[in-house]
Amino acid sequence: SQKIEQNSEALNIQEGKTATLTCNYTNYSPAYLQWYRQDPGRGPVFLLLIRENEKEKRKERLKVTFDTTLKQSLFHITASQPADSATYLCALDGNSGYSTLTFGKGTMLLVSP
Amino acid sequence: GAGVSQSPRYKVAKRGQDVALRCDPISGHVSLFWYQQALGQGPEFLTYFQNEAQLDKSGLPSDRFFAERPEGSVSTLKIQRTQQEDSAVYLCASSLAGGSSNQPQHFGDGTRLSIL
Repeated sequence: SQKIEQNSEALNIQEGKTATLTCNYTNYSPAYLQWYRQDPGRGPVFLLLIRENEKEKRKERLKVTFDTTLKQSLFHITASQPADSATYLCALDGNSGYSTLTFGKGTMLLVSP
Repeated sequence: GAGVSQSPRYKVAKRGQDVALRCDPISGHVSLFWYQQALGQGPEFLTYFQNEAQLDKSGLPSDRFFAERPEGSVSTLKIQRTQQEDSAVYLCASSLAGGSSNQPQHFGDGTRLSIL
């Protein structure tokens, strides 16, 4: 069956460092992959979308890579700030023919001052 | 409003009661999605509408769950004869276009449902 894996343990880093979050998937051939941020008690907020034919996508301090051979996406936040502390969700297109998404469980990032 | 609005934000019901959760998507958005999110988990897909048509309801966990979007804008998720396992956050999302276009989804802040 299709499976998405994100680090279940929280990632703790110091302010100013680069945070790297991992999303691995099996039994999928996604056409695109999305990353969302979710704060406690709030809905997910879209961050970046990367297509299968794109190796890398950047937006300000964010960078996403997509390796269809390794079946892996890496999400980087450079010069991290305490305000970046949140749960980050990886989502793949559901292969249903519609715009449905299948989400990973998310990884909590904690940036300490 | 500018974003997706969900109401109520919190709902407490006794086991066996029926509940109705409302979603107001972003105006003009064709696609509307419902998700269920358990504590510590990612959102799980429930159902998808393109305008008023419910094109995918494969994620609805049982026939006690019913969703509608009669005029292609506001949507209601109804749960009949609620059970304790229905306790979760129910998220609604909308996106501008329909079909299989690759685009971001805009989420509301959800309804936290607690079944006693």
